[in-house]
Amino acid sequence: EAGVAQSPRYKIIEKRQSVAFWCNPISGHATLYWYQQILGQGPKLLIQFQNNGVVDDSQLPKDRFSAERLKGVDSTLKIQPAKLEDSAVYLCASSLGPVIEQYFGPGTRLTVT
Amino acid sequence: QQQVKQSPQSLIVQKGGISIINCAYENTAFDYFPWYQQFPGKGPALLIAIRPDVSEKKEGRFTISFNKSAKQFSLHIMDSQPGDSATYFCAASSTSGTYKYIFGTGTRLKVLA
Repeated sequence: EAGVAQSPRYKIIEKRQSVAFWCNPISGHATLYWYQQILGQGPKLLIQFQNNGVVDDSQLPKDRFSAERLKGVDSTLKIQPAKLEDSAVYLCASSLGPVIEQYFGPGTRLTVT
Repeated sequence: QQQVKQSPQSLIVQKGGISIINCAYENTAFDYFPWYQQFPGKGPALLIAIRPDVSEKKEGRFTISFNKSAKQFSLHIMDSQPGDSATYFCAASSTSGTYKYIFGTGTRLKVLA
């Protein structure tokens, strides 16, 4: 069974630029999560999708971050404009449903200069 | 009340020794407690998880001990090996609602050969 795929793996941008990350969850997983992991910290949930719908986006900085999940499969997370403090690893995870076991992708390491 | 406090921040153990990582939570609605292992450049991978209806769960060399009254749980790695060197995260979640994970801050474990 293929795992959660993410791209790109690394991205370097200047502040005020925009960036987008892509995630392809495990086949059949209805729930998809985007996390932000700042160096030395645990992952922090940004947004959770159940199929196409948003379940929780309470910690998503909506003035600059946006996310969508088309057709309940792939998802993209966008930052526009980026700030220095957005430098982090962005992790995508998926699970079969609103159950517990979450499976993580390798992450995208974003550096904002 | 949503925090999960993890300690120690880092841990050095000799090969064959026991590694112990502790976590504490405040929210009594939490009823699922997974541990994740993360190697550099990789996403977190589920290691072992426990629910509060049991006080201990063992899988191979990994054991979770759970103290519901103290609202604490810990990971014990028996016969620690250099290959166990990684960052370990505890997390807590509620099986009602959105199942959002609250992660601890992580413990960087180094096992000396």
